[in-house]
Amino acid sequence: ETGVTQSPTHLIKTRGQQVTLRCSSQSGHNTVSWYQQALGQGPQFIFQYYREEENGRGNFPPRFSGLQFPNYSSELNVNALELDDSALYLCASSLYYMSGLGNTGELFFGEGSRLTVL
Amino acid sequence: AQKITQTQPGMFVQEKEAVTLDCTYDTSDQSYGLFWYKQPSSGEMIFLIYQGSYDEQNATEGRYSLNFQKARKSANLVISASQLGDSAMYFCAMRGLTGGGNKLTFGTGTQLKVEL
Repeated sequence: ETGVTQSPTHLIKTRGQQVTLRCSSQSGHNTVSWYQQALGQGPQFIFQYYREEENGRGNFPPRFSGLQFPNYSSELNVNALELDDSALYLCASSLYYMSGLGNTGELFFGEGSRLTVL
Repeated sequence: AQKITQTQPGMFVQEKEAVTLDCTYDTSDQSYGLFWYKQPSSGEMIFLIYQGSYDEQNATEGRYSLNFQKARKSANLVISASQLGDSAMYFCAMRGLTGGGNKLTFGTGTQLKVEL
């Protein structure tokens, strides 16, 4: 087990609704990132949070937003849900990586939240 | 921009045999890291092995080894002595090391099936 927990594990929403997904990071990790994995695809980077601020974003619209709390837990919020938002959402915790710091920045993933939008 | 290509959608291997999963990458970064993750049907991404672009030796972790050929931009995963529990989806991923952070770019994955 990685020590990264996500909730809820499964949920169903209808188009236009809003959803909040939660992630509890592994103890000692200061960085959290979120990924979207559509069926049959590899995960796609949504964004990353470090020290409670967004620190890198993939090609996702502003209706995807997030928060990181002082205890390094995190939320992913998606507004105005669309059918294409149906996917597995993965949270990953890690130590912040920069070349020379001496860590590989390995990401530890949770089991994901599977969102279905009808 | 970074790109990972995994050309094998599915692979079969017999138990106790070795198998190689292919991965090629493209990046303009001089310094980068390559990862392999295993994803069973439960959905969790399990870290297997890491290779830094400046590492002189190929990475090994137990039954997993990474065949890193920098000039060819390939980072193939070799699983020795396959076990039934190795049946899963396998993803190759890259992290660019300029600018910091932990964004990974993933390939489309290879579904491995281990048979008796």
